[in-house]
Amino acid sequence: ETGVTQTPRHLVMGMTNKKSLKCEQHLGHNAMYWYKQSAKKPLELMFVYNFKEQTENNSVPSRFSPECPNSSHLFLHLHTLQPEDSALYLCASSQDPLAAYETQYFGPGTRLLVL
Amino acid sequence: QQQVKQSPQSLIVQKGGISIINCAYENTAFDYFPWYQQFPGKGPALLIAIRPDVSEKKEGRFTISFNKSAKQFSLHIMDSQPGDSATYFCAASIGGGSNYKLTFGKGTLLTVNP
Repeated sequence: ETGVTQTPRHLVMGMTNKKSLKCEQHLGHNAMYWYKQSAKKPLELMFVYNFKEQTENNSVPSRFSPECPNSSHLFLHLHTLQPEDSALYLCASSQDPLAAYETQYFGPGTRLLVL
Repeated sequence: QQQVKQSPQSLIVQKGGISIINCAYENTAFDYFPWYQQFPGKGPALLIAIRPDVSEKKEGRFTISFNKSAKQFSLHIMDSQPGDSATYFCAASIGGGSNYKLTFGKGTLLTVNP
């Protein structure tokens, strides 16, 4: 595997379910990000992890719970979601979270549908 | 408040034509302006980026034009090809450091007809 991978690619869940999204980066990067992509809206930054420490929580509802056990893996735990949470969830990584002008490398995303 | 405004929302161009996508920003502290390209089923990928110390950057058929006084920047795709059909996002950020993050526009869906 190369780059940034995400599983599952598609997920359908009910509002009472609990599920987790997984992201893995094979680039040796130290920063990882979760974004939400909805139609006709800008990519919304949700969480940032630098060297496994959460440095940004962009006012995300508590029904989204991130976890970063190491610099290569990032999870997004989901529980009691709402239909408006249906979107494409993108994971990204970058080399040095404190460097300027960093390129972020994105995974293919998980398409989530909440019924 | 949307910090980076992108237009048009969608664009249809004939093969060989020029595609132009525009972005405007409010925060004068922004000093890095990348463009990302996203194909269906894929995540966005960096296409080209510019810093405000230059007014233009060209990489192959892709050119960024930057107007600091107007707080605007644009992507020009010369000799557009069907393979360029994708969604394009402009973005802006403030250098590096612990507050580094990208602010994205809403995206432009480009369709290049053969």
